[in-house]
Amino acid sequence: GESVGLHLPTLSVQEGDNSIINCAYSNSASDYFIWYKQESGKGPQFIIDIRSNMDKRQGQRVTVLLNKTVKHLSLQIAATQPGDSAVYFCAEKSQGGKLIFGQGTELSVKP
Amino acid sequence: GAVVSQHPSRVICKSGTSVKIECRSLDFQATTMFWYRQFPKQSLMLMATSNEGSKATYEQGVEKDKFLINHASLTLSTLTVTSAHPEDSSFYICSARDLDRLDTQYFGPGTRLTVL
Repeated sequence: GESVGLHLPTLSVQEGDNSIINCAYSNSASDYFIWYKQESGKGPQFIIDIRSNMDKRQGQRVTVLLNKTVKHLSLQIAATQPGDSAVYFCAEKSQGGKLIFGQGTELSVKP
Repeated sequence: GAVVSQHPSRVICKSGTSVKIECRSLDFQATTMFWYRQFPKQSLMLMATSNEGSKATYEQGVEKDKFLINHASLTLSTLTVTSAHPEDSSFYICSARDLDRLDTQYFGPGTRLTVL
């Protein structure tokens, strides 16, 4: 496979705080990036995407920032809620439309 | 819209048997579907790209004779794990790429395979 299997890093936040999840991508030629949320025992769920001609995109309570200089992507979740607890993956689109997934971050929201 | 289903959601089988997993795009056409496997606490690893009407493209290290993929229609791809062994136990997830929105992949809910 193209992704590396490592033990998931974790982020623990208090309910109501903002969360920032970071991701480094590998290919400087990648032009499309997506953030997914995966709850336990379920498939990934699309959150937000961004193209390489943008450096910021906002959705409902979420913002994605793209820094092409250092090949870094971040997902910001405002006013984090218990329902946001999940594993978050970034993905970059490579040749042939394949997605290369990052290692993921487990977000835990404390009430 | 853009719903992808998988069947079964869970399967338990004996070592040496074969298991078929179906992936369907319910409300859109998908010329391309992707199969992933995921171990606990790990990321998704792409196994193969399934193209309607042609042979699947396998990622390096994935045995094509072990993991048979068939994409017979624009809404259905199947993954058959042949002669399953306990090390094949994993969470298998498919995704489908919308013909009209080529950048977007929609994921199925996954299939938990346990080989005894």
